Amino acid sequence: RKEVEQDPGPFNVPEGATVAFNCTYSNSASQSFFWYRQDCRKEPKLLMSVYSSGNEDGRFTAQLNRASQYISLLIRDSKLSDSATYLCVVDTGTASKLTFGTGTRLQVTL
Amino acid sequence: GAVVSQHPSWVICKSGTSVKIECRSLDFQATTMFWYRQFPKQSLMLMATSNEGSKATYEQGVEKDKFLINHASLTLSTLTVTSAHPEDSSFYICSAPTPPVNYEQYFGPGTRLTVT
Repeated sequence: RKEVEQDPGPFNVPEGATVAFNCTYSNSASQSFFWYRQDCRKEPKLLMSVYSSGNEDGRFTAQLNRASQYISLLIRDSKLSDSATYLCVVDTGTASKLTFGTGTRLQVTL
Repeated sequence: GAVVSQHPSWVICKSGTSVKIECRSLDFQATTMFWYRQFPKQSLMLMATSNEGSKATYEQGVEKDKFLINHASLTLSTLTVTSAHPEDSSFYICSAPTPPVNYEQYFGPGTRLTVT
């Protein structure tokens, strides 16, 4: 089983749509969870951290369910500029090391 | 915010030569930096942890003699791909955790290596 698993994608959605990505992780010792965004041929950029209570940043909402070891990202009112690969990232529980999911590709169209 | 730079941004080299990639933290000190490799349509895979003042620690399956890491100062780590082969062609990215929230990492822009 992969340490971090994500929806395979790609997700093709029209502008204005709401889209949700899911992620599961296997390391129960993990304490920190993130969603990163990666554009083609670029480095990942932190989108948001994910907290147990859930958190929202504008059109983006992240949820964490520790019992199920499940993380989600909801994007409302999708914009063309949201087109990217979204990486679910989990710490390994050791010295700031992170494990990346393979990413879910989102393509927002007119 | 914190900035991490990498140099070069892309490099083409011939098989059998060595390539050095630099990773710098520009406005903070990084006692630890991470080196990742990303093949097309795959995720980032951690190669090694670079530690200032001590040896790097390598992930399972990564050859330490092939991928030499030197953390020369609190703002500079280098990765040298020795005797590069076409299968080493990849996107190499470094990152550094930022104090005080050490789990938040900033990534360099990456170096695209092509070995011919």
